[in-house]
Amino acid sequence: GAGVSQSPRYKVAKRGQDVALRCDPISGHVSLFWYQQALGQGPEFLTYFQNEAQLDKSGLPSDRFFAERPEGSVSTLKIQRTQQEDSAVYLCASSAGRLAVSYEQYFGPGTRLTVT
Amino acid sequence: KQEVTQIPAALSVPEGENLVLNCSFTDSAIYNLQWFRQDPGKGLTSLLLIQSSQREQTSGRLNASLDKSSGRSTLYIAASQPGDSATYLCAVRHSRLAGNKLTFGGGTRVLVKP
Repeated sequence: GAGVSQSPRYKVAKRGQDVALRCDPISGHVSLFWYQQALGQGPEFLTYFQNEAQLDKSGLPSDRFFAERPEGSVSTLKIQRTQQEDSAVYLCASSAGRLAVSYEQYFGPGTRLTVT
Repeated sequence: KQEVTQIPAALSVPEGENLVLNCSFTDSAIYNLQWFRQDPGKGLTSLLLIQSSQREQTSGRLNASLDKSSGRSTLYIAASQPGDSATYLCAVRHSRLAGNKLTFGGGTRVLVKP
């Protein structure tokens, strides 16, 4: 595709429900990132994949958060037993290149999660 | 721990005035710095990327400077237009050995009044 896509764009979950958020990166991009953006704040790093390998998950706030990228393309961020503090916009970004250090990150439109 | 601060948090200017947005970071060991634009309900659009070895980058009406030693970057937008109204975010990438994540500032919300 032309850019990073995410689905669903909006998700409302009742507290305690499990949710799954999908990210389709730009075709051929090796690196994939997940960020969490609370209302009125800048995004915060959650986790990073290089191909199918999850190289950094230091930003995941709890063991209720789990991310995978089994075939090195599409990624899913799963949140178990959602809590109200999980309400945020979840942004996915992809980047070309194996090291992805000097390459720009391209962001998707985000998934807005509201936990009621 | 790297901290990124953007001042002011919000800015309102009349159309035609130049915009100056500031970004500061606490750890100068960065690999590059990126400026983004975010419209309400939308994702981030990359505006400019400055490598740590560069002093500035320009694209059209946008110019971004980087002073790594003092931990500062400034985004200049010349002759502002109502369409420039958005939130502007700066983000730094740590040195290569520290990984690939971006650390963002809180953003500056800009309103350009016609």
